[in-house]
Amino acid sequence: GAGVSQSPSNKVTEKGKDVELRCDPISGHTALYWYRQSLGQGLEFLIYFQGNSAPDKSGLPSDRFSAERTGGSVSTLTIQRTQQEDSAVYLCASSLAAGRGFYNEQFFGPGTRLTVL
Amino acid sequence: AQRVTQPEKLLSVFKGAPVELKCNYSYSGSPELFWYVQYSRQRLQLLLRHISRESIKGFTADLNKGETSFHLKKPFAQEEDSAMYYCALRSYGQNFVFGPGTRLSVLP
Repeated sequence: GAGVSQSPSNKVTEKGKDVELRCDPISGHTALYWYRQSLGQGLEFLIYFQGNSAPDKSGLPSDRFSAERTGGSVSTLTIQRTQQEDSAVYLCASSLAAGRGFYNEQFFGPGTRLTVL
Repeated sequence: AQRVTQPEKLLSVFKGAPVELKCNYSYSGSPELFWYVQYSRQRLQLLLRHISRESIKGFTADLNKGETSFHLKKPFAQEEDSAMYYCALRSYGQNFVFGPGTRLSVLP
């Protein structure tokens, strides 16, 4: 593929509903990251997958947030019972590897803008 | 805990003037430092990393472990440099920590 893709590009939902955000990383990239970009807050790390290792979930803000990565490729970020403070741009990135050095350059997707009414 | 600070939310300079975007970090080990840039309506992308010791689009950044800084510099700013700049840190085997970002505006 041409790069990291994310869908949908925009999502408007009502408070209390569940949403799923999808990320397709670059083929062959073993590492995948989710971030949240809120206005004036910069990038907030959410979760990180590396190969078959257990994901680093240390950035998930609450147990309403979860993510999966199936077959080492596509990832889905799920937010249950959405709240207005969940409104943000959710960014996905992938890298060839996660070790030290040039292989850990992250390539970002275009993001999903989530609005919770 | 790892932390990255960028003290300026907005930095405005005139075209041709020098520019310095500040970045300080807190980490006791040996981190990797990066600068990422997001131009208007484009994706976030890597600008440069300290291990490369390279100059990209005229920008350079030197890691100063004594001052725990990784400031981004360019001697002569161009209008096309206007963008959001993020400093980021990564420790071995860990995730990335990004700063809050600085919006650079280069005025004609």
